[in-house]
Amino acid sequence: SYVLTQPPSVSVAPGKTARITCGGNNIGSKSVHWYQQKPGQAPVLVIYYDSDRPSGIPERFSGSNSGNTATLTISRVEAGDEADYYCQVWDSSSDHPRVFGGGTKLTVL
Amino acid sequence: EVQLVETGGGLIQPGGSLRLSCAASGFTVSSNYMSWVRQAPGKGLEWVSVIYSGGSTYYADSVKGRFTISRDNSKNTLYLQMNSLRAEDTAVYYCARQPVGATTPLDYWGQGTLVTVSS
Repeated sequence: SYVLTQPPSVSVAPGKTARITCGGNNIGSKSVHWYQQKPGQAPVLVIYYDSDRPSGIPERFSGSNSGNTATLTISRVEAGDEADYYCQVWDSSSDHPRVFGGGTKLTVL
Repeated sequence: EVQLVETGGGLIQPGGSLRLSCAASGFTVSSNYMSWVRQAPGKGLEWVSVIYSGGSTYYADSVKGRFTISRDNSKNTLYLQMNSLRAEDTAVYYCARQPVGATTPLDYWGQGTLVTVSS
């Protein structure tokens, strides 16, 4: 089955740029979605189809996807961005088509 | 406004059964794909099962043969019947909506319901 690899943690100072990666074999050929999960809360969709933002998500959140790596970029990081972030793809070649990455804990220093 | 409300979680002994419900409002369950996703304490998200608008169902290997996903169109509600529960099934279970399409995102999630499997 398809495997997505994320770094367990990323740390960034307020006002700086955070980049969270999601690695997978030829992931650039797939559509990647990103979810934010704060402690005790349900996940929230923050980026879909690699780089689209749902309404209500700040423009500081952006995404890209090419080759074997997809990236979630958060510009001008704020304390409120501290959360776990998960990438997700649909693996249409599998009977278990929905795959999540292991998650990345974003810490705002 | 789209809302998903899960109920049915609780403490259950190993080998027992439990049925989770996910009541939807603001959209029609049968016109969308609907998934269950779980999260063990301190762990990441794990997809569990999906039911397509046409009725096809799929399961993660870890629950295949023990869990059954279904829906009641008249009640606009999604279910997850969980049998032969194991300690490793302990998790918060979320239901989530996926607009019809092979690669669409999980755009709305419920608040989750906690299932604890323990003697």
